[in-house]
Amino acid sequence: DAKTTQPNSMESNEEEPVHLPCNHSTISGTDYIHWYRQLPSQGPEYVIHGLTSNVNNRMASLAIAEDRKSSTLILHRATLRDAAVYYCIYRFGNEKLTFGTGTRLTIIP
Amino acid sequence: GAVVSQHPSWVICKSGTSVKIECRSLDFQATTMFWYRQFPKQSLMLMATSNEGSKATYEQGVEKDKFLINHASLTLSTLTVTSAHPEDSSFYICSARRSSGANVLTFGAGSRLTVL
Repeated sequence: DAKTTQPNSMESNEEEPVHLPCNHSTISGTDYIHWYRQLPSQGPEYVIHGLTSNVNNRMASLAIAEDRKSSTLILHRATLRDAAVYYCIYRFGNEKLTFGTGTRLTIIP
Repeated sequence: GAVVSQHPSWVICKSGTSVKIECRSLDFQATTMFWYRQFPKQSLMLMATSNEGSKATYEQGVEKDKFLINHASLTLSTLTVTSAHPEDSSFYICSARRSSGANVLTFGAGSRLTVL
């Protein structure tokens, strides 16, 4: 299984940026880095994914280290609706997606 | 965008009965779907990979006769929990990948099963 390491929990104040780290030291050159998040009592929701370059979309930005052994999900301005468990995963092509424990993000009003 | 629908969203059943959960891709075709289960405050555990027109591939430790998976069309996979017992109570989640080769998965909202 593809292993990633994330902090168990993080807190952030509302309307401030949040940086969620992830270590994936065993990643290979062709593995994509994916981030999903899961709100309470819901299925996971796709956030962003990338291979080598930093990526931006309407939800977040993904900063990938040059050696690709770590990445950071950036929420530019956290809202209460961003409170969720964030999962960092890497996979190649059509391989199955296995989840680690993720980071539980709490947003403080 | 891609939408995956799960039904029912919650179900309560008596011990010994069977329960079927449906997973549909509403606006795209999915040759592969994945079934997960999640216990409270735990991460998602992959149960099986469902392939359209062929047998599902089960993860180690998952009983294939207990959790029957059928993927008869490109838009529908079903998970049947046979002879359910209280320890099968869990949150079951499916996901689907577009047949066109997109690299991301779309998840259903999940189905909460409670076995009395």
